[in-house]
Amino acid sequence: NAGVTQTPKFQVLKTGQSMTLQCAQDMNHEYMSWYRQDPGMGLRLIHYSVGAGITDQGEVPNGYNVSRSTTEDFPLRLLSAAPSQTSVYFCASSRTGGLVAREAFFGQGTRLTVV
Amino acid sequence: AQSVTQLDSHVSVSEGTPVLLRCNYSSSYSPSLFWYVQHPNKGLQLLLKYTSAATLVKGINGFEAEFKKSETSFHLTKPSAHMSDAAEYFCVVVTSGNTGKLIFGQGTTLQVKP
Repeated sequence: NAGVTQTPKFQVLKTGQSMTLQCAQDMNHEYMSWYRQDPGMGLRLIHYSVGAGITDQGEVPNGYNVSRSTTEDFPLRLLSAAPSQTSVYFCASSRTGGLVAREAFFGQGTRLTVV
Repeated sequence: AQSVTQLDSHVSVSEGTPVLLRCNYSSSYSPSLFWYVQHPNKGLQLLLKYTSAATLVKGINGFEAEFKKSETSFHLTKPSAHMSDAAEYFCVVVTSGNTGKLIFGQGTTLQVKP
């Protein structure tokens, strides 16, 4: 049971380049999300999905696209990288619904630098 | 709307002394609250969670937190700090409907001195 797997772990991009951060989970979780972590700001939600074919914007969606074609995968695309997107990115997944909030499981993170 | 505020960005303690990391929340209904820990260059790990059962919640590695509705607080404590506790800690509230959407506090960096 691998949990949440993110690739790559590190990436350097030039301004204007595009790339896709990969996220996969093997726990059959309905909910998946992407966060960025910046010093002193905690984690901020970029995009999220409550199931295959359903995505929505979070707090800081500009410059990012997502899709959810399967339950397992939730890639994050940077359309045209900017230095302001230098950050650590985390993917998370969890079950949803029911009476009790469920624990979110996080990937190990992708450290992205845009030069 | 829900929000969470961690009152200290940095806490420094000596090994063997108590730890207190403070968290206040804002919610229009009874919230679900988590504490997560992040060790350097690692992902986030769940320490403990409150989901309206017992107000005193015990977690891993000797940590516990008490939900106080009257004070809208969910402070994290540990009786005796260990060097391995040095990390960043996040207080998190789950949005309504148990959709899985998390709102993070700004984080508290815990330094443990020998």
